[in-house]
Amino acid sequence: AQTVTQSQPEMSVQEAETVTLSCTYDTSESDYYLFWYKQPPSRQMILVIRQEAYKQQNATENRFSVNFQKAAKSFSLKISDSQLGDAAMYFCAYSKGTHAGKSTFGDGTTLTVKP
Amino acid sequence: SQTIHQWPATLVQPVGSPLSLECTVEGTSNPNLYWYRQAAGRGLQLLFYSVGIGQISSEVPQNLSASRPQDRQFILSSKKLLLSDSGFYLCAWSPRVGGEQFFGPGTRLTVL
Repeated sequence: AQTVTQSQPEMSVQEAETVTLSCTYDTSESDYYLFWYKQPPSRQMILVIRQEAYKQQNATENRFSVNFQKAAKSFSLKISDSQLGDAAMYFCAYSKGTHAGKSTFGDGTTLTVKP
Repeated sequence: SQTIHQWPATLVQPVGSPLSLECTVEGTSNPNLYWYRQAAGRGLQLLFYSVGIGQISSEVPQNLSASRPQDRQFILSSKKLLLSDSGFYLCAWSPRVGGEQFFGPGTRLTVL
């Protein structure tokens, strides 16, 4: 079974600085998808970024980028120029992307942004 | 564009009472649908998923059940709530291929 591990329960960053959240996963598949979701205090889950395993190029979305290391099964999220609104719980997730589309989620990392 | 609705937003129910949470999706057809439960400060526990009308798969045996009476409607039910059913319930949908999920605003359920 696939597993997703987020080894940092909590992280903090100074406003305008850069922070990296770690995620590792375990799978025997060669084709799959990886995601980062953000859950702010409102608890509305929001998709932050998506990476297809067959793509070597790392995904980016404005201030958010990933470092995808397929051989190491590592998928970290970098947040640049951190803003107060980035404070949230971040979840890493894996999906085979097939018919049922089920995702396996990590336990989350709570990010605090200090002004 | 697609939107997903959940109601109610908040619910307080006595132990032993029934439950019905509803989720509807607009702007897409034939989505995969999911019910999750989340304890405070914790990750997501997948409860049920559905790939089509009347097709329900249960991930965790428990006091809850799910139904999909229409293509874009997903209902979470219980005949008799337990204290342990308290939590934050999230509904989500995903397209057939790709795996990304889009979540509703959630329902906070408190069982007293």
